[in-house]
Amino acid sequence: SQQGEEDPQALSIQEGENATMNCSYKTSINNLQWYRQNSGRGLVHLILIRSNEREKHSGRLRVTLDTSKKSSSLLITASRAADTASYFCARRMDSSYKLIFGSGTRLLVRP
Amino acid sequence: DAGVIQSPRHEVTEMGQEVTLRCKPISGHNSLFWYRQTMMRGLELLIYFNNNVPIDDSGMPEDRFSAKMPNASFSTLKIQPSEPRDSAVYFCASSLRMGLAGGPSAPNIQYFGAGTRLSVL
Repeated sequence: SQQGEEDPQALSIQEGENATMNCSYKTSINNLQWYRQNSGRGLVHLILIRSNEREKHSGRLRVTLDTSKKSSSLLITASRAADTASYFCARRMDSSYKLIFGSGTRLLVRP
Repeated sequence: DAGVIQSPRHEVTEMGQEVTLRCKPISGHNSLFWYRQTMMRGLELLIYFNNNVPIDDSGMPEDRFSAKMPNASFSTLKIQPSEPRDSAVYFCASSLRMGLAGGPSAPNIQYFGAGTRLSVL
């Protein structure tokens, strides 16, 4: 499957703690993106990291990419109850314009 | 900008009926994507268009599914006849594809609509 894996499938943390989600894939990529989906809503783009980049930051988000291990991680620091959502990684491969989405991580941030 | 607009938000129909889902992409975007999301299969790409032309329809499950994009501001996904296993949330997304053949510099950041929740009884 091109989808790869995300782990954990579900994560429950206390408000203020950090949340780390991981994404692995199988084929070489052009870029990797992270999206958030709140319950009953569409996906929202959070951050993009290109294949020649190793780390990017955006506010409380930090994304890393290790192309040798074909993996990425999303770190949300100082989590808030409003961060409760599902988080998906999506890969754009060099060979195609389309994105391949992972299965997602469901994050619950307890107040 | 109003974002990607999908209609209807909810659709309940009986098996065998025709269902038409509609999407208006963000003005100026030239790529449009249709996805289906279920608990079992996650988010699946059904088809995508570039400049109103279908580029990849390998994800369309069966001949019962068809999609059109008659102009840059409108697309439809039709299921005829519908079956209970088609029940899912259907999303439309759009992006701005720059450069030739969406080369390495084209990131494909997608903007999603709110989705249509389809229930086929």
